[in-house]
Amino acid sequence: DTGVSQDPRHKITKRGQNVTFRCDPISEHNRLYWYRQTLGQGPEFLTYFQNEAQLEKSRLLSDRFSAERPKGSFSTLEIQRTEQGDSAMYLCASTLGRDGYTFGSGTRLTVV
Amino acid sequence: AQKVTQAQTEISVVEKEDVTLDCVYETRDTTYYLFWYKQPPSGELVFLIRRNSFDEQNEISGRYSWNFQKSTSSFNFTITASQVVDSAVYFCALSEAGSNYQLIWGAGTKLIIKP
Repeated sequence: DTGVSQDPRHKITKRGQNVTFRCDPISEHNRLYWYRQTLGQGPEFLTYFQNEAQLEKSRLLSDRFSAERPKGSFSTLEIQRTEQGDSAMYLCASTLGRDGYTFGSGTRLTVV
Repeated sequence: AQKVTQAQTEISVVEKEDVTLDCVYETRDTTYYLFWYKQPPSGELVFLIRRNSFDEQNEISGRYSWNFQKSTSSFNFTITASQVVDSAVYFCALSEAGSNYQLIWGAGTKLIIKP
């Protein structure tokens, strides 16, 4: 297992377009998290899955954001009608629970 | 409410100097975990250490050491004999058993090691 994979690494999109990111966690990890990080800040929690169930969603997440984890394996994060304020690094992490989280390399989104 | 404070926004030292990065946290949970991550310019978050609230033993790993003190709610990180490759942003984070172990992050400390 090579760790947490995120795709794409970079995405440039025009304002108003929809984008979708993918995260493949470490296979035996049942917990998966999405975070967002803007320049000069620490990551902010977006949402959390335990297996296929989305158990928590941050109030930061507007209705334009949706995440899924079908079959409890990979996860997707979709942003509809992107805005310039959505430009950030989107990070995925997986863990078995209390252990150190393993982060992917992130998807850097630029909305122009 | 839970919170993590890294008061040092940026630290600059000359190579081979020792440097300490401060982290102060707030939590009402009795079971919690503290973490340090390194984020080099490449952007990937690299896990350095996890500490649980019941283990106050200090830890040393090579040039890295961590000082966990529950009495002052601090979890400080020291790099001994710093090297240029240590230049990065370092984040302290907290997770609580009562919050699905989501990570609450400090704002990070940018460490610059000059040759």
